[in-house]
Amino acid sequence: DTAVSQTPKYLVTQMGNDKSIKCEQNLGHDTMYWYKQDSKKFLKIMFSYNNKELIINETVPNRFSPKSPDKAHLNLHINSLELGDSAVYFCASSLYQPGRDNEQFFGPGTRLTVL
Amino acid sequence: AQKITQTQPGMFVQEKEAVTLDCTYDTSDPSYGLFWYKQPSSGEMIFLIYQGSYDQQNATEGRYSLNFQKARKSANLVISASQLGDSAMYFCAMREGGSTLGRLYFGRGTQLTVWP
Repeated sequence: DTAVSQTPKYLVTQMGNDKSIKCEQNLGHDTMYWYKQDSKKFLKIMFSYNNKELIINETVPNRFSPKSPDKAHLNLHINSLELGDSAVYFCASSLYQPGRDNEQFFGPGTRLTVL
Repeated sequence: AQKITQTQPGMFVQEKEAVTLDCTYDTSDPSYGLFWYKQPSSGEMIFLIYQGSYDQQNATEGRYSLNFQKARKSANLVISASQLGDSAMYFCAMREGGSTLGRLYFGRGTQLTVWP
């Protein structure tokens, strides 16, 4: 029943490791996003995909690489993790309809802690 | 310049009272959308209400209404008859261009506490 799901919910890892976060939506949406929420709760977009094509790529270190194998999935791979990567990462999805501005549905978030 | 400004880091309201959470935005695009999201302590982001820049009337969704003042570039959220479950962080957000494909810019949030 979950609309937008993310795994894992918690991720604790050492500096320098590589990790992935997976996101799946069953809403039939065609646009998916990754956001980072820092310790002060500020939410900032990182990437956006529409129909598996990258359309937004904010100023994010190239250690972060998104991958969208199909419209329902958007994964985030992070290489060489740093302390500053500790945050909550949210996946979101929405439906693109020309002439309409639809809301985004968010996943539950993945709390990443880098030690 | 910040796209979205929420000047109230924290607000307190008594149960059953109404409360207004402030939001101002900055854009030169004539087409944009304004959103409010709620984030309870459990962490999920819940969509509350949307207002398009061309909408003539203020948006309403149950106990939530959006006080849209275009000339002032403000989009305040009004919660009527507050409930204890309304205690949460509230985020105002804006997307320019009127399309789902645009960037969604968030404010820094207002922590609302409802007391009995």
